[in-house]
Amino acid sequence: DQQVKQNSPSLSVQEGRISILNCDYTNSMFDYFLWYKKYPAEGPTFLISISSIKDKNEDGRFTVFLNKSAKHLSLHIVPSQPGDSAVYFCAASTHSGGSNYKLTFGKGTLLTVNP
Amino acid sequence: NAGVTQTPKFRVLKTGQSMTLLCAQDMNHEYMYWYRQDPGMGLRLIHYSVGEGTTAKGEVPDGYNVSRLKKQNFLLGLESAAPSQTSVYFCASSYNPYEQYFGPGTRLTVT
Repeated sequence: DQQVKQNSPSLSVQEGRISILNCDYTNSMFDYFLWYKKYPAEGPTFLISISSIKDKNEDGRFTVFLNKSAKHLSLHIVPSQPGDSAVYFCAASTHSGGSNYKLTFGKGTLLTVNP
Repeated sequence: NAGVTQTPKFRVLKTGQSMTLLCAQDMNHEYMYWYRQDPGMGLRLIHYSVGEGTTAKGEVPDGYNVSRLKKQNFLLGLESAAPSQTSVYFCASSYNPYEQYFGPGTRLTVT
């Protein structure tokens, strides 16, 4: 049973436009969410996170939105740049409770930003 | 700071052979993880460790063993490799369970 779902395997956008990557989750115990970015032949790198007590977190061109009632989060990249072309993984965890030390990852979305 | 390093980068094994993948981190992180990435499957957790001398099973632990004898090292062992273990293996470490730092990966092919 997939608890973190990224239903779009790929997304293509024009340079300068907005990229919106989506993620849905099923486990209501998840309360901390992260996005990782991965270039080919490299390991993933942490991009941005959000706690369930917030509905938005912004870092430069990257903003993550969380809709708890819909169990949905999205990553917005504005403006998109060719260097943003990568696979983006959504991940979730239970931050409170003290006994969970793991992230659950989605399958990833390949973003291609065309010049 | 080298961050997280993985040895080797590539390996080809025959079915039934054994090998050990080494992960090393120089950031004094408590948490360390082994994942595998397969096409269309995302990152799946194999085993993890919350401190020196501790290990725990992740989502897909069968066929693998791990050890964390030193804080900076996390070893992943395959006792009898199978073609289903052909994958890219990533090690990660972190000071909390969430913002993990990943190594560059080991590409393993089992024939």
